[in-house]
Amino acid sequence: GQNIDQPTEMTATEGAIVQINCTYQTSGFNGLFWYQQHAGEAPTFLSYNVLDGLEEKGRFSSFLSRSKGYSYLLLKELQMKDSASYLCAASDSNYQLIWGAGTKLIIKP
Amino acid sequence: KAGVTQTPRYLIKTRGQQVTLSCSPISGHRSVSWYQQTPGQGLQFLFEYFSETQRNKGNFPGRFSGRQFSNSRSEMNVSTLELGDSALYLCASSFLTTGEQFFGPGTRLTVL
Repeated sequence: GQNIDQPTEMTATEGAIVQINCTYQTSGFNGLFWYQQHAGEAPTFLSYNVLDGLEEKGRFSSFLSRSKGYSYLLLKELQMKDSASYLCAASDSNYQLIWGAGTKLIIKP
Repeated sequence: KAGVTQTPRYLIKTRGQQVTLSCSPISGHRSVSWYQQTPGQGLQFLFEYFSETQRNKGNFPGRFSGRQFSNSRSEMNVSTLELGDSALYLCASSFLTTGEQFFGPGTRLTVL
């Protein structure tokens, strides 16, 4: 079957760094997406990885290892506004997105 | 460019009724996907339409159906509503089926 696993909740301190992990098992693979969702709002796109390695975009970076079925989202210099849920989604052989349940990130001052 | 719009934003129905939700994608986007989101369950894929054709379908009962019109606007219908259908229904559009998805604000459905 197809499956995405990510931690349910994480807590970090303002100004610190946090890494949110995601492991996936899909029938075929056409890339890995990360989305951010603030409470009561729609998800918004953060990053897309299809090749192994690290993609950096400002304070946010995303890493992919296709051989390990593993990705992580790295958030640096955490701000209170980063408190949100972070959703990992893998694109399968039919380009259908398989979603994880999301990681709720709590930032403390 | 206007974003994805969904109507209505909130809906209260009773068991056994049916409901139709509407989604207008970003202009030029031909792919529309529908998701159900409940606390702790993440996004559950319902179906995807591209150029008026259903391209993918998730594991939901036949009570859930959808369609897409020639202007790419999409509707989803849920018949014989059950209490468990209470959820946030999100619509997402993309230019191609493989691309980044842009989400609408969702329709929050409550079934009493």
